[in-house]
Amino acid sequence: DVVLTQTPPTSSATIGQSVSISCRSSQSLLDSAGNTYLYWYLQRPSQSPQLLIYLVSKLGSGVPNRFSGSGSGTDFTLKISGVEAEDLGVYYCVQGTHDPTFGAGTKLELK
Amino acid sequence: QVTLKESGPGILQPSQTLSLTCSFSGFLLSASSVGVGWIRQPSGKGLEWLATIEWGDVKHYNPFLKSRLTISKDTSNNQVFLKITNVDTADTGIYYCAHNYGGFDYWGQGVMVTVSS
Repeated sequence: DVVLTQTPPTSSATIGQSVSISCRSSQSLLDSAGNTYLYWYLQRPSQSPQLLIYLVSKLGSGVPNRFSGSGSGTDFTLKISGVEAEDLGVYYCVQGTHDPTFGAGTKLELK
Repeated sequence: QVTLKESGPGILQPSQTLSLTCSFSGFLLSASSVGVGWIRQPSGKGLEWLATIEWGDVKHYNPFLKSRLTISKDTSNNQVFLKITNVDTADTGIYYCAHNYGGFDYWGQGVMVTVSS
């Protein structure tokens, strides 16, 4: 199966600070049609996960544009440009190019 | 408005079969490229994909759990089902169903399942 390695496991930020989370895949996520099925989710405490980014860099419905995604092949990054209090929780990268697998998560805390 | 809601037995004993139902509204599972997936989360841990059923009744299973899983659907009643056989304590956790169209874009609230003797 495809293993997604997220770093860091925990990130501490102040409000307004920019934060980046890395997701590295054990295999390329580029499929034969040229699509890369890499997603980012946020799970706030006691809530269901929420889709933030799809196809590496496309913003989900209603997601603020302080969130951005980038990368290709096996290396991907989620950036939050100016953390707000509502952004705290656990971030997961997920791949759907192969049988879906989730990264272990990155917990974003207030410093 | 897309909504999904999971239901299940709450508590069951080791070796029993877990039966889960996902009742949804706001979309048709007969629509092209639409699917519904099941994902679970042990308490305090990360997320694990279990299975997905697509509009054409194509089914995908987590290869590590495939022998224990069966996903099915009732398109007329807007429901998707998941059965997990021979459960043990490691199957305890929250089970989510999610609409799948270019990613799991809408999720249910989840249902807690506890396996205990």
